[in-house]
Amino acid sequence: DQQVKQNSPSLSVQEGRISILNCDYTNSMFDYFLWYKKYPAEGPTFLISISSIKDKNEDGRFTVFLNKSAKHLSLHIVPSQPGDSAVYFCAASGNNYGQNFVFGPGTRLSVLP
Amino acid sequence: EAGVAQSPRYKIIEKRQSVAFWCNPISGHATLYWYQQILGQGPKLLIQFQNNGVVDDSQLPKDRFSAERLKGVDSTLKIQPAKLEDSAVYLCASRLTPGQGRDTQYFGPGTRLTVL
Repeated sequence: DQQVKQNSPSLSVQEGRISILNCDYTNSMFDYFLWYKKYPAEGPTFLISISSIKDKNEDGRFTVFLNKSAKHLSLHIVPSQPGDSAVYFCAASGNNYGQNFVFGPGTRLSVLP
Repeated sequence: EAGVAQSPRYKIIEKRQSVAFWCNPISGHATLYWYQQILGQGPKLLIQFQNNGVVDDSQLPKDRFSAERLKGVDSTLKIQPAKLEDSAVYLCASRLTPGQGRDTQYFGPGTRLTVL
């Protein structure tokens, strides 16, 4: 049973436009969410996070929105750049000490010049 | 600051053979994780160490997988014997302290295992 879902395996966006990557979760105990970015032949790198006490967190071109009632979060990249082309993983975690991350299957973003 | 190191980067073996992967976490990081990432899926946690003790190995297939973290620093993950479905990228990650700064989990580049 997938607790974290990313229903779009891939997404293509024109350079300069907005990229929106979506993530849904089923476990209501999750209260901390992260996005990781992964280039080929490299490990995932942390991008941005959000706690369930917030509904928005912004860091430069990246904004994550959280809708707890819908168990949905999204990552917005504005403006998109070719260097943003990568696989993006959504991950979720509970608040218990040491509780670990559950990752979604990832969305491959291609930003076209 | 040096990142998480893993070796080898690639490994090809035949089924029923054994294989071992090595991870050196970021210096001072108490927590170490091994993940398995099958093509088209997200990383799945296999085992978590806190210093040299196992915190969570509930998803480790213990009949064939084993891991150790002697002296609370480097770690090795072993598969014996390997099956075709073990083909995946094995990622090692480390974190300074669990439960604090939960975004500070750093991943190594991974080892891509192909089982023929």
